[in-house]
Amino acid sequence: DSGVTQTPKHLITATGQRVTLRCSPRSGDLSVYWYQQSLDQGLQFLIQYYNGEERAKGNILERFSAQQFPDLHSELNLSSLELGDSALYFCASSARDLGGPTNNEQFFGPGTRLTVL
Amino acid sequence: DAKTTQPTSMDCAEGRAANLPCNHSTISGNEYVYWYRQIHSQGPQYIIHGLKNNETNEMASLIITEDRKSSTLILPHATLRDTAVYYCIVRANAGNNRKLIWGLGTSLAVNP
Repeated sequence: DSGVTQTPKHLITATGQRVTLRCSPRSGDLSVYWYQQSLDQGLQFLIQYYNGEERAKGNILERFSAQQFPDLHSELNLSSLELGDSALYFCASSARDLGGPTNNEQFFGPGTRLTVL
Repeated sequence: DAKTTQPTSMDCAEGRAANLPCNHSTISGNEYVYWYRQIHSQGPQYIIHGLKNNETNEMASLIITEDRKSSTLILPHATLRDTAVYYCIVRANAGNNRKLIWGLGTSLAVNP
């Protein structure tokens, strides 16, 4: 158990809909990262927040947005869903910012499996 | 952003050492090499990281070449539970390189 929690575990929805994925980082971790992993694909880094501020952006679509709240939990919002958005979405947390000290390994949650029908 | 290349798949006999290579020829001076693994759609798990020197922990050893253009992750006595996809990524220690690029990794199969 990494200490990172994600809800829901599974989500099935229809095209055009909007969903919200939630992540609670490990206690004390200030950074939260979101990743997308499609079938048989590697991890695609989407976005990172540190202590409430956006710090790094990967290949995140404009239909996707995220935020980190004062209690450090984070939400990833996916809107106007398309079939291709079906994937595993992982959240990870680390103690420090992305460009920070070396001992800043990421701890991953169990993921949310999103299926768009 | 520095990128990495890894073999798509590898096999290893149970109890033998598994040596997983990674090329990162465009790595810059302040970039660290990190290794993670992912067991069947679970969240990836951190293994080890290093800059120049070889590193060892309870899970694995990391050997980085002197020119830092490649590295090898060594699992000294592979078990069936080590069957996973292993990712090698590079990450800047400071500055503006704040992206994380994960390749497809190496799918390691440990056979009985």
